[in-house]
Amino acid sequence: AQKVTQAQTEISVVEKEDVTLDCVYETRDTTYYLFWYKQPPSGELVFLIRRNSFDEQNEISGRYSWNFQKSTSSFNFTITASQVVDSAVYFCALMQDTNAGKSTFGDGTTLTVKP
Amino acid sequence: GAVVSQHPSWVICKSGTSVKIECRSLDFQATTMFWYRQFPKQSLMLMATSNEGSKATYEQGVEKDKFLINHASLTLSTLTVTSAHPEDSSFYICSAPSSGMFHYGYTFGSGTRLTVV
Repeated sequence: AQKVTQAQTEISVVEKEDVTLDCVYETRDTTYYLFWYKQPPSGELVFLIRRNSFDEQNEISGRYSWNFQKSTSSFNFTITASQVVDSAVYFCALMQDTNAGKSTFGDGTTLTVKP
Repeated sequence: GAVVSQHPSWVICKSGTSVKIECRSLDFQATTMFWYRQFPKQSLMLMATSNEGSKATYEQGVEKDKFLINHASLTLSTLTVTSAHPEDSSFYICSAPSSGMFHYGYTFGSGTRLTVV
């Protein structure tokens, strides 16, 4: 069985603050993939990043960075210098290699960035 | 990049009628399409997986006869909500592997907001 936990239901920050969204996952597979998606108010999911279980290298893309730690089964997402446009629901998802492409999503974290 | 076009964006229908939702992959072939349902302020729940040319695979608890899925071509998958009732009101989203390989990521449709009155 696979499970994704996003313990933070809602986060509110003021513009320019840094914010970290937590994601903890459970899986028995040794090969798996982790994703982060952004869902703005319009509803469409936007793919942000994919990380496979063999690559623990952290990644930075502009103001976004991701910290993958297998030891703690976590894949946290940090937004630096947040902006109002970052306001959205963010989902962490897990896909096991043995599960035919099916993804399990966390419950999502609603981020509100206030001006 | 890979695009999945989903229509309609929103639909209001009367209880007892059927609604068809279409998802088209515009610039790639989607041999597999995942259908999700999302209730307000909740996560995405996988309903079924459709594969081109074969029967869809439904998740536990999803009624096959109520949610008819057809994947007739490599670029089109449809979900028909039959005899819709107010409890079927939800946000429905389709998703396909962007490059044909599951682990490279997925492209999502823009979603369909269904309201049954």
